Amino acid sequence: AQSVTQPDIHITVSEGASLELRCNYSYGATPYLFWYVQSPGQGLQLLLKYFSGDTLVQGIKGFEAEFKRSQSSFNLRKPSVHWSDAAEYFCAVGATLPNSGYALNFGKGTSLLVTP
Amino acid sequence: GAVVSQHPSRVICKSGTSVKIECRSLDFQATTMFWYRQFPKQSLMLMATSNEGSKATYEQGVEKDKFLINHASLTLSTLTVTSAHPEDSSFYICSARVATYEQYFGPGTRLTVT
Repeated sequence: AQSVTQPDIHITVSEGASLELRCNYSYGATPYLFWYVQSPGQGLQLLLKYFSGDTLVQGIKGFEAEFKRSQSSFNLRKPSVHWSDAAEYFCAVGATLPNSGYALNFGKGTSLLVTP
Repeated sequence: GAVVSQHPSRVICKSGTSVKIECRSLDFQATTMFWYRQFPKQSLMLMATSNEGSKATYEQGVEKDKFLINHASLTLSTLTVTSAHPEDSSFYICSARVATYEQYFGPGTRLTVT
């Protein structure tokens, strides 16, 4: 089944520094990939998605992600982090589940802490 | 963009009672909605898929008699936690499908069972 792995549980960066959050997927064909952000006590907001085409995807809030088939990765990047970016980040892959059909499989999430 | 709302945002109930959570698509029709459960500092766990006009499909390990899902209209799905117990305390998030794999998420409902 389609799945994603987020190797980093926590990441701490200084405000203004660059950010890269890792996501690896497991799927033979071209996957449908997503990055979501969740602020404490809130739902999920879509940052960006990749289905096909240009492998560098631009999203909201200055985020981008690059699909690399050779590395089975879809890492999220931001050139300069702001304190308001502190949140939980989830990578997800479109999956076909036995009971639910077309659904999303989420990684375990990466918690981003931004220091002054 | 598509907006999904949930009500209530927070609810506290006593053990043994039932509580209903509503999920609405505000500016679009959603044939399919999803219900997730999220424990603190953990990822989202898909509980069930709610299809308008038909029975919900539940993921393995989810008690369908405890978590009743109704999707009576194209803009409303409800999750009723029946005979709630403290272990049912959690953050419940709904989403609405807008394309094959694309979903818009509600803000979540914090359920506390005392």
